[in-house]
Order: sequence, then structure tokens, then C-alpha cells
Amino acid sequence: EVQLVESGGGLVQPGGSLRLSCAASGFTVSSNYMSWVRQAPGKGLEWVSVIYSGGSTYYADSVKGRFTISRDNSKNTLYLQMNSLRAEDTAVYYCALYFDYWGQGTLVTVSS
Amino acid sequence: DIVMTQTPLSLSVTPGQPASISCKSSQSLLHSDGKTYLYWYLQKPGQSPQLLIYEVSSRFSGVPDRFSGSGSGTDFTLKISRVEAEDVGVYYCMQGIHLPPPFTFGPGTKVDIK
Repeated sequence: EVQLVESGGGLVQPGGSLRLSCAASGFTVSSNYMSWVRQAPGKGLEWVSVIYSGGSTYYADSVKGRFTISRDNSKNTLYLQMNSLRAEDTAVYYCALYFDYWGQGTLVTVSS
Repeated sequence: DIVMTQTPLSLSVTPGQPASISCKSSQSLLHSDGKTYLYWYLQKPGQSPQLLIYEVSSRFSGVPDRFSGSGSGTDFTLKISRVEAEDVGVYYCMQGIHLPPPFTFGPGTKVDIK
């Protein structure tokens, strides 16, 4: 059974950093493409980043240069390193396998 | 980037009645591999999005057959043959054709029960 469990969210000041984790089970992270998608409070879904099985990575323009997606094959875990955070990055962040299976999300709040 | 639009943005339905949501993309979602990368999701209140339909018309595992998808090119439709109370939430369409990304979602259609 596919399971995705995000963690690492919290309250951070503008300009700060956070690293989100997505622990996967039931499949191998490195063999599939995985994404991060976010949802600002009361808003719709916004794709953030993807990492393909071959290692290629892509980012939404809104986070390019500030966020980095990566994975640890030994831990079967996906990560999102978020730097230079802004108020507009406040959202629930979901990891997704392809776009078929989604985690429960982790809330990131950027505020002073 | 491909822009996704949905109509209506909200829908109130009597249980047992049908419902239909339209999704349009600013570019064709037909890939050179012959597949059309259009997905439908339902986000129930307080939950993560769940995949309903992939590649326009294929139901995901466990999705009731009252949900169906149709369309081609840039125009797509999600139909619920008989709405049930558990179908309330926000429905999103998403395009997955862009290789490389970005992938884009529609604004969402909020469905509630009369």
C-alpha cells in the first residue's frame, strides 16, 4: 500500500528556511517521479516542484532559485529545502507520487 | 504556461441528481504519444486531493462508476451521474502534458448538496 507522510512544517520568519520531508512506503521513491504541490489558505492547488526518476528537477517560477527538491534513496524519502521564505509561501505542502497518491500535507506559515 | 479554466466555480446539487463540470485548457493536452494528460481530483473538506480520473476518462482505483470523464484536445467534462452526500468538496482539473513542467490546475469547482 502506498503511503506518503509529510513532516517539517511550522512557523518561520520571512527570509528563513525550512526543510520538508515526505517519507514514502509501498514503493521506491527513486524509481518514480514525485512532486510537491501547495495550497495557500482558502486557495487552490499550485504545483511547486518535480523530481524525475533520472534525477531531473523542475520548479515553478514562484520558487525557482529558492527551493530545492531532492531525495534520499536509502531512506526512501523526498525532501523540499525552502530558503528565503516569503509570506506568500504560506501554505499546506503536499507530496505526491506521480499525481496519483498524495500525502496528508504539512503546514508552513511564514510570518514575523 | 497552459491555463486551465473551470465552469461553474460553484454548484449546488440535489442528492440523486446529475452534475457536470467543464474544464478548458489554453492549449491542446494531446501528447505526441497519443495520450491526453488531463486529470480530475476531488478535495473533500479537510482532506488531501484524491485522484478520480486520469487521462481524460480512466477511473482511478476505487473510484465509483458514477464518476466519468470525457473530452479531447482542450475541452473536458467531469460528470457525476447521481450525486451523493459524500461527493461534496472542491473538484480540480489538472494538465500533466507539459514536459518539462509547469503542471497547472484549474481554479476548482465547489460542489455542495442542496
